[in-house]
Amino acid sequence: QVTLKESGPALVKPTQTLTLTCTFSGFSLSTSGMRASWIRQPPGKALEWLARIDWDDDKFYSTSLKTRLTISKDTSKNQVVLTMTNMDPVDTATYYCARHIAGGWFDPWGQGTLVTVSS
Amino acid sequence: EIVLTQSPGTLSLSPGERATLSCRASQSVSSSYLAWYQQKPGQAPRLLIYGASSRATGIPDRFSGSGSGTDFTLTISRLEPEDFAVYYCQQYGSSPSTFGQGTKLEIK
Repeated sequence: QVTLKESGPALVKPTQTLTLTCTFSGFSLSTSGMRASWIRQPPGKALEWLARIDWDDDKFYSTSLKTRLTISKDTSKNQVVLTMTNMDPVDTATYYCARHIAGGWFDPWGQGTLVTVSS
Repeated sequence: EIVLTQSPGTLSLSPGERATLSCRASQSVSSSYLAWYQQKPGQAPRLLIYGASSRATGIPDRFSGSGSGTDFTLTISRLEPEDFAVYYCQQYGSSPSTFGQGTKLEIK
């Protein structure tokens, strides 16, 4: 059974850097073909893909956010980490991690973690 | 990037009725690389359909997907009470992957 769980601060101040960790089980990011992504959802709004990391350490980022995002993995801990710099209130959202199947669809998703950006 | 437009924004139906949800892409989605998700309040999205028409594991056969090119449809043949939720389409044929804005399926 594949499970993922996000963790990180619930509240960050504007201009701060956000660091989120996704801890997963049931698959390994050292296995060929495996990928994981981060997706976010502002309250009451649609989903937005942010970043992806592959088993071979290839990384891909949202065009609009790429200057602020860094994704990394720790295969020994089964974790994927996302950092986002210069946080702004518009970045308030639930942040999800998900297994990214064949570079295509997302299944399953973690439960998500709500991050509020406020002074 | 490809923009996905879902319609209607809200669909009001009764249990037992048939639901038809639309997802239209701003340009052709290659190889029918389109997925559908269901999201209930306070929950993460759940994969329903991938490859435009393949049901994910454990998804009831009342859910079906169809379409190609720029027009895709999710059909729920007979609505069950647990089907009332928000539905999102996602294209992954072109980078970056993008989502539609969602269709809310509510009880009439």
